[in-house]
Amino acid sequence: AQSVTQLDSHVSVSEGTPVLLRCNYSSSYSPSLFWYVQHPNKGLQLLLKYTSAATLVKGINGFEAEFKKSETSFHLTKPSAHMSDAAEYFCVVTMISGGYQKVTFGIGTKLQVIP
Amino acid sequence: KAGVTQTPRYLIKTRGQQVTLSCSPISGHRSVSWYQQTPGQGLQFLFEYFSETQRNKGNFPGRFSGRQFSNSRSEMNVSTLELGDSALYLCASRLAETYNEQFFGPGTRLTVL
Repeated sequence: AQSVTQLDSHVSVSEGTPVLLRCNYSSSYSPSLFWYVQHPNKGLQLLLKYTSAATLVKGINGFEAEFKKSETSFHLTKPSAHMSDAAEYFCVVTMISGGYQKVTFGIGTKLQVIP
Repeated sequence: KAGVTQTPRYLIKTRGQQVTLSCSPISGHRSVSWYQQTPGQGLQFLFEYFSETQRNKGNFPGRFSGRQFSNSRSEMNVSTLELGDSALYLCASRLAETYNEQFFGPGTRLTVL
């Protein structure tokens, strides 16, 4: 079984300050973990992914995430928020077994950036 | 390379009608998955098709169905529409069965009146 918990449904930061979006996961097997971003009325765009290589993963637009197995966490960070970062962010865990893909989405975290 | 495309982008239907949504995956991608996104339930998996075969199905009633064509394009059909079917329907494609990275389309916004 697998699950994803995004610990905050809303996060508000000032422009230029750091961003931290928290995600904890549960998986019976070694999972693949993703962060996606969704701007209003748009589809989901892949920010970054972890697939058992380096534990610190760098993504697009200055975002990065660290896989911590001992804490079962995959938190998303960015040193300095930009107004264009305002969007909803989804943490996703996937597992492929026998060609079948099981995908579990977190509930999403809405990021507000205050000018 | 073109991304995942979905048509139409917006639809308005009335209860009891049926609707068909279309998804064209990235060229060369053989797997297409469909998701329903609503404010109350978040993103929920509908089904996945690979090489014209349904490989996996979420917990949705039989009114939701789909198919995939030989060119990997996929359609999703919802019959006897209910108000609760109003949602953003997202399609995602991936290269093959062993690849877990999905690429999402912009979605179709369905409103049921």
